[in-house]
Amino acid sequence: GNSVTQMEGPVTLSEEAFLTINCTYTATGYPSLFWYVQYPGEGLQLLLKATKADDKGSNKGFEATYRKETTSFHLEKGSVQVSDSAVYFCALAGGTSYGKLTFGQGTILTVHP
Amino acid sequence: DGGITQSPKYLFRKEGQNVTLSCEQNLNHDAMYWYRQDPGQGLRLIYYSQIVNDFQKGDIAEGYSVSREKKESFPLTVTSAQKNPTAFYLCASSMSGLSYEQYFGPGTRLTVT
Repeated sequence: GNSVTQMEGPVTLSEEAFLTINCTYTATGYPSLFWYVQYPGEGLQLLLKATKADDKGSNKGFEATYRKETTSFHLEKGSVQVSDSAVYFCALAGGTSYGKLTFGQGTILTVHP
Repeated sequence: DGGITQSPKYLFRKEGQNVTLSCEQNLNHDAMYWYRQDPGQGLRLIYYSQIVNDFQKGDIAEGYSVSREKKESFPLTVTSAQKNPTAFYLCASSMSGLSYEQYFGPGTRLTVT
């Protein structure tokens, strides 16, 4: 079946630091890949997505590239802000889980001023 | 404004009682989903419905029940058979079962003592 593995957290950074959160996946076929963000006490919001190999999703300064050869979809941001503090979830859909999302365990990001 | 509402935000129940969590959407989406979130874990799918009057079990359906009598509503009942019901419950919807882009409600935190 499908699975998603994210880097262990929590991640703590200073404002304006570079962010990378690693995500690798296992799936059959050609899944779509997503990053969702969850701010404290709230539901999840879609941050960005990529639907085929070599696609780059981007939003609010965050980027992730769909790498089929390494089965990865790492999230990056060049300069984080305090307001980026949240939990980030990598997810995939497709393959054997038609119509359903499979989530990673989430990575807590804390950004200090 | 279009969106998904979940009520209440916090819910407290005694062990042995059934409890129903509300989820309503006005996005005209066909598909709806229920997830459970526990600390340090990703989201796990409880039930999903791709169309009115039809629903399927997700990965952790035991101890839960749902109904889908209206397109806008997908209530989740946590029964006394659920061994560890205390968790954060998230409802989501998507345009159709073919659309992987899901929109999430703000969640309900259920505490059972």
